[in-house]
Amino acid sequence: DTEVTQTPKHLVMGMTNKKSLKCEQHMGHRAMYWYKQKAKKPPELMFVYSYEKLSINESVPSRFSPECPNSSLLNLHLHALQPEDSALYLCASRTVIAGGPLAFSGANVLTFGAGSRLTVL
Amino acid sequence: AQSVTQLDSHVSVSEGTPVLLRCNYSSSYSPSLFWYVQHPNKGLQLLLKYTSAATLVKGINGFEAEFKKSETSFHLTKPSAHMSDAAEYFCVVSGGGADGLTFGKGTHLIIQP
Repeated sequence: DTEVTQTPKHLVMGMTNKKSLKCEQHMGHRAMYWYKQKAKKPPELMFVYSYEKLSINESVPSRFSPECPNSSLLNLHLHALQPEDSALYLCASRTVIAGGPLAFSGANVLTFGAGSRLTVL
Repeated sequence: AQSVTQLDSHVSVSEGTPVLLRCNYSSSYSPSLFWYVQHPNKGLQLLLKYTSAATLVKGINGFEAEFKKSETSFHLTKPSAHMSDAAEYFCVVSGGGADGLTFGKGTHLIIQP
């Protein structure tokens, strides 16, 4: 079982709807991520939060709005999406080590949630 | 600059036979390397990781990988495939991406009964 919990597992929305994806972890990780994954492709980074502050925004359209209300929760607010935004949205988290938010070692691997499958009609 | 190449987009093996998924990397320093597995409509699960300790790394579900610096490779192997191994496998190297990671394009593993 994953230690990163994402809800809902499936979401269908129209282009005028407003909805949110939620992610929760209780591992004490201080870096949290949103990725978008299209079928048969690797995940594409959208946002990174480090210590509850947005540290990376990969030029994502403003119809996607992230929020990190506390160290355990990460939300992705969705508004006026397009059909091409249909994808699997993955949340991930990890610890932050001395090398900073971009430093990886065996001690701070990414832990992924099971994803939220979004369909935009 | 970091890059990772998964040499096969699809690999098909019979149940009970060995599995080999190939990954080559390029890095300007000693990287950390990871293999993740993704079953259909699921998130990514860490199989194993290399962190400059032992070059032969054992992971979950009987998988292992060997880090070969001279060949810049980190191939994933399993002695005997099981039907439940059918999934997408991603080789990942630290560095290069905005998130500190570079993902390979993935290898789809098919297990024939």
